Amino acid sequence: GPKVLQIPSHQIIDMGQMVTLNCDPVSNHLYFYWYKQILGQQMEFLVNFYNGKVMEKSKLFKDQFSVERPDGSYFTLKIQPTALEDSAVYFCASSVTGGNTLYFGEGSRLIVV
Amino acid sequence: AQSVTQPDARVTVSEGASLQLRCKYSYSGTPYLFWYVQYPRQGLQLLLKYYSGDPVVQGVNGFEAEFSKSNSSFHLRKASVHWSDSAVYFCVLRGGDRIFFGDGTQLVVKP
Repeated sequence: GPKVLQIPSHQIIDMGQMVTLNCDPVSNHLYFYWYKQILGQQMEFLVNFYNGKVMEKSKLFKDQFSVERPDGSYFTLKIQPTALEDSAVYFCASSVTGGNTLYFGEGSRLIVV
Repeated sequence: AQSVTQPDARVTVSEGASLQLRCKYSYSGTPYLFWYVQYPRQGLQLLLKYYSGDPVVQGVNGFEAEFSKSNSSFHLRKASVHWSDSAVYFCVLRGGDRIFFGDGTQLVVKP
């Protein structure tokens, strides 16, 4: 099936540093999402993105977070500066339209020390 | 308010037994419902989806789910589970541009 690629698969970073998580969505998809997974189970919505703009974001999407997709390249999640509570697995997802099936990447495991 | 509830955080069954994972939703419009599976250290994979029509939808690996508007449910079933089905299963609701996840049900299949 359609593949969403995420880079890196895992990263360890010092608290206060910046991290960028990269997502290569399915090629014809227009809607992009970031989710944060904690405790290996709960999927928590962070943000969705369409047509170059953030459409909706949750309370978890702190001021230190930002997303962009410059010129159709990677859809990125940047955290600057990182905090200990940012440690989690971050999943990127994409869909053709706002109402269609979501396809997920394998996740980027972030450990902030 | 829109929401998805998976009342069972963990379900344990024996290999070869039948399975039902429960999902209840709350949504005023026409829901698009999905079941995803997540194997350890992997992303979410689509098992099946329901948009309209036949309320029983077939998915991969012998899974099926039944939509019930009257019960606001979308339970996942499998006739005979295999040890490789051990994973976390998520029920997901799409209403317009919004997406709602259940908290997931961890399925443990005993040999």
